[in-house]
Amino acid sequence: GQSLEQPSEVTAVEGAIVQINCTYQTSGFYGLSWYQQHDGGAPTFLSYNALDGLEETGRFSSFLSRSDSYGYLLLQELQMKDSASYFCAVTLNQAGTALIFGKGTTLSVSS
Amino acid sequence: GAVVSQHPSRVICKSGTSVKIECRSLDFQATTMFWYRQFPKKSLMLMATSNEGSKATYEQGVEKDKFLINHASLTLSTLTVTSAHPEDSSFYICSARNRAAYGYTFGSGTRLTVV
Repeated sequence: GQSLEQPSEVTAVEGAIVQINCTYQTSGFYGLSWYQQHDGGAPTFLSYNALDGLEETGRFSSFLSRSDSYGYLLLQELQMKDSASYFCAVTLNQAGTALIFGKGTTLSVSS
Repeated sequence: GAVVSQHPSRVICKSGTSVKIECRSLDFQATTMFWYRQFPKKSLMLMATSNEGSKATYEQGVEKDKFLINHASLTLSTLTVTSAHPEDSSFYICSARNRAAYGYTFGSGTRLTVV
């Protein structure tokens, strides 16, 4: 079967740095992506890693190690608006027509 | 950027009736769209993959006759929940991938409540 594991909850204060880990066991792998979802809203795409290494996009960075079946999302200079659920997702095929989501990590940022 | 429009955002219907949810890619063509269901505080569960001009591919455990999917054009996919029951109440989200960009774009979701 397919599985993606990530912590269910993380708490932090404004200005801090948070890392959300994701380990996966899937039948195929073409890339790891991260999505943010605020309560009641739709998921929005944050980042995508197809190759090992770190991808940086502003305050958010994402890392992938294919040999370890592991990745993480790093959020820096946390703001209250970053409080949301964060999902890692694995693209299973080259066509990108199969995407499996983790169960999500709820991040709560306090002042 | 890629935009996916989903309508309606909220719908309340009576048990036994059918509800249609539309998903449109506004500025790109989507040969494939995806339909997800999400329960409160839970992950997105893929229900089916909608293919333009052909039959949808359903995930295991998802009833084809209950959740009818039609993908008649490159920009429109519809999900019809037939003979809805209270257990069908959920958040339904569609998504599509713009090949010019990474990542999938999601619609804003439809909160279905069956009473």
